[in-house]
Amino acid sequence: GAGVSQSPRYKVAKRGQDVALRCDPISGHVSLFWYQQALGQGPEFLTYFQNEAQLDKSGLPSDRFFAERPEGSVSTLKIQRTQQEDSAVYLCASSLHRGPSYEQYFGPGTRLTVT
Amino acid sequence: AQKVTQAQTEISVVEKEDVTLDCVYETRDTTYYLFWYKQPPSGELVFLIRRNSFDEQNEISGRYSWNFQKSTSSFNFTITASQVVDSAVYFCALSGADQTGANNLFFGTGTRLTVIP
Repeated sequence: GAGVSQSPRYKVAKRGQDVALRCDPISGHVSLFWYQQALGQGPEFLTYFQNEAQLDKSGLPSDRFFAERPEGSVSTLKIQRTQQEDSAVYLCASSLHRGPSYEQYFGPGTRLTVT
Repeated sequence: AQKVTQAQTEISVVEKEDVTLDCVYETRDTTYYLFWYKQPPSGELVFLIRRNSFDEQNEISGRYSWNFQKSTSSFNFTITASQVVDSAVYFCALSGADQTGANNLFFGTGTRLTVIP
């Protein structure tokens, strides 16, 4: 079956531009996570959805970051007024159920470069 | 607070050698879950294994084996008879008990394994 897909795979934005990153989770997966991975680092949690509800956004680095999952499937991570420090790979993951014991399946990521 | 430490930044081995990747974790949760993920050059994180905190039984899957020891807070990963295709960055991760509702993963900084033919 299809895995988690993300688009675009690469995005170059000029400083100050807004960007929108899309995630298509595995069909039927309840949980959806966004992570940010800086070069040479492990992924860091940004936000979590259970179906359409955003239950945790404690990892979002600033109010320029906004995520939504309006119908409980596709999710969009939006970054307003991008800054150079936003350059990273943004990973989306989905999990069949809610709970810490279920493995997360990751997409290929979107590499964002802010110039 | 959750923390995962992978002290080995990079490891190089010659093909067919065995290699062990170290992972040490910190958590205040009594119930938690440990994971290993592989990130090949393509960038997509691939799930390898999950262990529960209450199950210290070691596991072997083909050339892969995992050694979980609560007494030392370690969850080490061994690849036997390494192959070039094993070259990747390997991440250890921790997920705590359901407290905030997120159950997100806390990752280590990864170990880059290079297998030389």
